[in-house]
Amino acid sequence: QLQLQESGPGLVKPSETLSLTCSVSGGPISSSSYYWGWIRQPPGKGLEWIGNIDYSGGTYYNPSLKSRVTISVDTSKKQFSLKLSSVTAADTAVYYCARHVQTGPYKGYPDYWGQGTLVTVSS
Amino acid sequence: DIVMTQSPDSLAVSLGERATIDCKSSQSVLYSSNNKNYLAWYQQKPGQPPKLLISWASTRDSGVPDRFSGGGSGTDFTLTISSLQAEDVAVYYCQQYYSNPPTFGGGTRVEIK
Repeated sequence: QLQLQESGPGLVKPSETLSLTCSVSGGPISSSSYYWGWIRQPPGKGLEWIGNIDYSGGTYYNPSLKSRVTISVDTSKKQFSLKLSSVTAADTAVYYCARHVQTGPYKGYPDYWGQGTLVTVSS
Repeated sequence: DIVMTQSPDSLAVSLGERATIDCKSSQSVLYSSNNKNYLAWYQQKPGQPPKLLISWASTRDSGVPDRFSGGGSGTDFTLTISSLQAEDVAVYYCQQYYSNPPTFGGGTRVEIK
């Protein structure tokens, strides 16, 4: 059974960079059938898609966040990572990593999700 | 971006009764070359990540009870729970994956009446 697990600091100061890692187990990360992505959910609110990456490192980011987002992959460790720079309180959210079933170029739907990690932006 | 609008925001249904959630997209998510609707439904229980229920508008994911069904095409979609069970209390989201970025509806909270 595929499992994804997020890790990283739960508290980040304003203007700093949020960094999270997702570890994949129970299945391959190097598959052309899937993308690996990040989605966030502010407390009590809805879901916002951040971006995804394929196993070779190709990425697509949500244009609303593109200037601040970097997603990378390390297939040897079966991990992919998220960096979000210049954070503000508006970036406080539960951050989920998720496998996406590929349906087109950097398009797809999440089918497996991590449990999520709350990141709070506060001084 | 494609805007996904769900209705109602919340609904309360008696155990064993039918629950229906609507989802409307601001443009069609039907891809004409393969006649597929690029729409998914998720269930999120408190403190848990979303769980995929349905993809391609009507294809149940493995292990999803058959009381959950999805329908619709183009811009108008429906998630139906045919006989509500206590464990179905959750927030339900629709999501389009027709164009990037993928976008989600605002969610519909389902409760027991």
